Amino acid sequence: TQLLEQSPQFLSIQEGENLTVYCNSSSVFSSLQWYRQEPGEGPVLLVTVVTGGEVKKLKRLTFQFGDARKDSSLHITAAQPGDTGLYLCAGVSDYKLSFGAGTTVTVRA
Amino acid sequence: GAVVSQHPSRVICKSGTSVKIECRSLDFQATTMFWYRQFPKKSLMLMATSNEGSKATYEQGVEKDKFLINHASLTLSTLTVTSAHPEDSSFYICSASFDSYNEQFFGPGTRLTVL
Repeated sequence: TQLLEQSPQFLSIQEGENLTVYCNSSSVFSSLQWYRQEPGEGPVLLVTVVTGGEVKKLKRLTFQFGDARKDSSLHITAAQPGDTGLYLCAGVSDYKLSFGAGTTVTVRA
Repeated sequence: GAVVSQHPSRVICKSGTSVKIECRSLDFQATTMFWYRQFPKKSLMLMATSNEGSKATYEQGVEKDKFLINHASLTLSTLTVTSAHPEDSSFYICSASFDSYNEQFFGPGTRLTVL
């Protein structure tokens, strides 16, 4: 089992603030994905990063893949209440996904 | 596109009974479907991978005789929890993919509660 550790586990911030979620592993992955999951629903893919050092931007979300393809970060700029949710990272190895435990983000209005 | 549905969304059953959960790809043909289990505030754990027309491949520690998986068509996979016990209570999520190495599209999940 390839373990991914996410930190922090919980994050509560005020609207307009920035936040960063980290995903770390001792394993190398062919790619890494970030998902967002709402309560009682399945996860929805936000982005896939493939190349070491890659940076992808999705509106106010910035995703970075570490040079060694073992870690990643998700940065949200000027967070809004609509960003509230569970953020999961998942390492892709072969065809399987190994998920982190998730970071619960709460953005207060 | 790429919509995956699950049925039922919630099910409550008595200990010792069996429960079947369906996973359907509504607008594409899914050669591969995956079944995950998620405990409260925990990660999704892969239980098994099923390819249409083949036997499912189970992850280490998952009892294949307890969690029966059938993937008889390109749009439907079923997970049957046999002789369910309270410890089987969990959130079961399926995903479907065009093939093993393509993006997985997740269903909305099924909340199973065993009394």
